[in-house]
Amino acid sequence: DIQMTQSPSSLSASVGDRVTITCRASQSISRNLNWYQQKPGKAPNLLIYATSNLRSGVPSRFSGSGSGTDFTLTISSLQPEDVATYYCQQSYSTPPVTFGGGTKVEIK
Amino acid sequence: EVQLVESGGGLVQPGRSLRLSCTSSGFIFADYAMSWFRQAPGKGLEWVGFIRSRVYGGATQYAATVKDRFTISRDDSKSIAYLQMNSLKTEDTAVYYCTREYGIIDYWGQGALVTVSS
Repeated sequence: DIQMTQSPSSLSASVGDRVTITCRASQSISRNLNWYQQKPGKAPNLLIYATSNLRSGVPSRFSGSGSGTDFTLTISSLQPEDVATYYCQQSYSTPPVTFGGGTKVEIK
Repeated sequence: EVQLVESGGGLVQPGRSLRLSCTSSGFIFADYAMSWFRQAPGKGLEWVGFIRSRVYGGATQYAATVKDRFTISRDDSKSIAYLQMNSLKTEDTAVYYCTREYGIIDYWGQGALVTVSS
């Protein structure tokens, strides 16, 4: 099974800050990496698929990059509505479907 | 508009059974795999299992933690996916989400809380 490791597990940043979350796979997953945003009390929501493709309707301040084993989600200018937990997920080799442990983003 | 609505959650004693339903609309249900995920209180996302579309034989796959206890089925005529949970354990307590597909998961239900407790 492919293990996904996210860092940091939580972060606190100011409105307008650039925020970076990293995700590492235990083996190469090419570019088969997806990012989800989960706001408190809500279901997860797909943000980015296949490493860098923004889902329709997702603000352009979100971006993704990487390949192989190392990936990054960047929020270019943090907004109050971005408070959420972010999960990476590999879709290279399933089953099983595996997620990172999550990164909780808060406003300082 | 794609909608997935889970139902059937609740409080159940350890060792008992429960069945969740996922009623779908807004897309051709028969064309898609359907999956179940869960999230224990304060924890991350865990895949439970999926059922492929009829084109792929309706095959099922399960996480090791639920294999032989949980069963996923589907009724394409009603656009409903089911999660039958048997021999429930306290560690099965979670919000259960149904989703369309299992690779790039573009739609999630709102979740159904299952609490396993005596």
